[in-house]
Amino acid sequence: SSELTQDPAVSVALGQTVRITCQGDSLRNYYASWYQQKPGQAPVLVIYAKNDRPSGIPDRFSGSSSGNTASLTITGAQAEDEADYYCSSRDSSDNRGIFGGGTKLTVL
Amino acid sequence: EVQLVESGGGLVQPGGSLRLSCEVSGFIFSNYWMHWVRQAPGKGLLWVSRINSDGSSTTYADSVKGRFTISRDNAKNTLYLQMNSLRAEDTAVYYCARDLGTSSWYFDYWGQGTLVTVSS
Repeated sequence: SSELTQDPAVSVALGQTVRITCQGDSLRNYYASWYQQKPGQAPVLVIYAKNDRPSGIPDRFSGSSSGNTASLTITGAQAEDEADYYCSSRDSSDNRGIFGGGTKLTVL
Repeated sequence: EVQLVESGGGLVQPGGSLRLSCEVSGFIFSNYWMHWVRQAPGKGLLWVSRINSDGSSTTYADSVKGRFTISRDNAKNTLYLQMNSLRAEDTAVYYCARDLGTSSWYFDYWGQGTLVTVSS
C-alpha cells in the first residue's frame, strides 16, 4: 500500500505565508484532501479536490498539486491556524484510504 | 445541520469485543459512503474502514482486516463498527466520517469521536 509523507513540524510568523507539503505515489492519480485538527477536537476538512474549500473555510487556505506532491498554502497565517494538518488520499493500488503523518503548524 | 454522534467506546480487555455506533442526522444517510478513522493517543490519523451507500461493499485497513466489520442500517441512520479480537494497539479515539460524495474519499463531516481503550 502507498504512504503519504509530511514534514513533522513547520512554523510561520503571524501574517506570513506558509506551505505544508505531502508526498506520495497515490497523489499522481488522486487529489489530496487536507484536514485541520486542534487539540481535543475532531479533524476539519479545509481543502479537497483540485482546490476546493468547504463552506466556512477562509480563503487564505488554498491547495495545489504537482506530480507526487500536494501542498496546502495558508496566505496570511493567523494565530487560530495553529494546529495539526493532515493530508489524505485514496490509495492508488487498492480501495483504501491513507493519511499522512501530520504536520504541526506553529504560528509565531 | 449535519451531525454525527459516536457511541460505544470504553475499556475492554485484550481479545475482547466492542461495537461502535455512529448515529447521523441532517442529511440523507443512504446517499453517502461512510468511513471510520482512528487516532491513537498522541498519534496521527489512521483510516480504518469504509462502506458504500447501501452496505454492499466494504474495505478495511490491513491492521484490522478480519477482526473488524463495518456495517450500516439506513433505516436507523446508523453506522456501526464491530471490533473483535481487540489488541492494545487498537487503543484510539474512533471517528466516523462522511464521504463528501460517492467514493470521493474526502471526509467532509466528522463525529466527535469515541475512545476505545484495550487494556487488562
